[in-house]
Amino acid sequence: RKEVEQDPGPFNVPEGATVAFNCTYSNSASQSFFWYRQDCRKEPKLLMSVYSSGNEDGRFTAQLNRASQYISLLIRDSKLSDSATYLCVVIYGGSQGNLIFGKGTKLSVKP
Amino acid sequence: GAGVSQSPSNKVTEKGKDVELRCDPISGHTALYWYRQSLGQGLEFLIYFQGNSAPDKSGLPSDRFSAERTGGSVSTLTIQRTQQEDSAVYLCASSLVAGAYNEQFFGPGTRLTVL
Repeated sequence: RKEVEQDPGPFNVPEGATVAFNCTYSNSASQSFFWYRQDCRKEPKLLMSVYSSGNEDGRFTAQLNRASQYISLLIRDSKLSDSATYLCVVIYGGSQGNLIFGKGTKLSVKP
Repeated sequence: GAGVSQSPSNKVTEKGKDVELRCDPISGHTALYWYRQSLGQGLEFLIYFQGNSAPDKSGLPSDRFSAERTGGSVSTLTIQRTQQEDSAVYLCASSLVAGAYNEQFFGPGTRLTVL
């Protein structure tokens, strides 16, 4: 079983749509959780951290369910510029920050 | 300010040759991480440094891979006797200090192709 699993997509949505990505992780000792964004042939960039209480940043909402070992990302009012691959990332407790990545979910927003 | 830089941006080599990949972290960042991204494999952790020490080398795939960091700054990842399966994008990231809550900033990567 992969440590971090994501639906690879692609998700093809029209502008203005709401889209949700899910991610599950296998290590119950995981400590920190993130969503990264990666544009084609570019480096990953931190989109947002994910907290148990849930957190929102503009059109983006992230949720963490520790009991189910499940992380989600919701994007509202999709823009063309949201087209990218979204990477679910965890850090194990006791580690010094080495990121464990899912393989990513590809999003394509169409006009 | 300047971000993480990596060189070369692209490297094509023949099977069996050695290669060196360089990473310049953000100035003042004491932690440095190496990852690689292969087709179909996603991003995988290789090794990290806190200062010049490498407490966790668990991700290095074989003893052909090694890395060093000098002066708490530049790091070099060396792959000896390259194999075709080493072809990937090698990414470097740095953060203020090592830890679970410090954002890592990635460089643009070195795309390695082994023929």
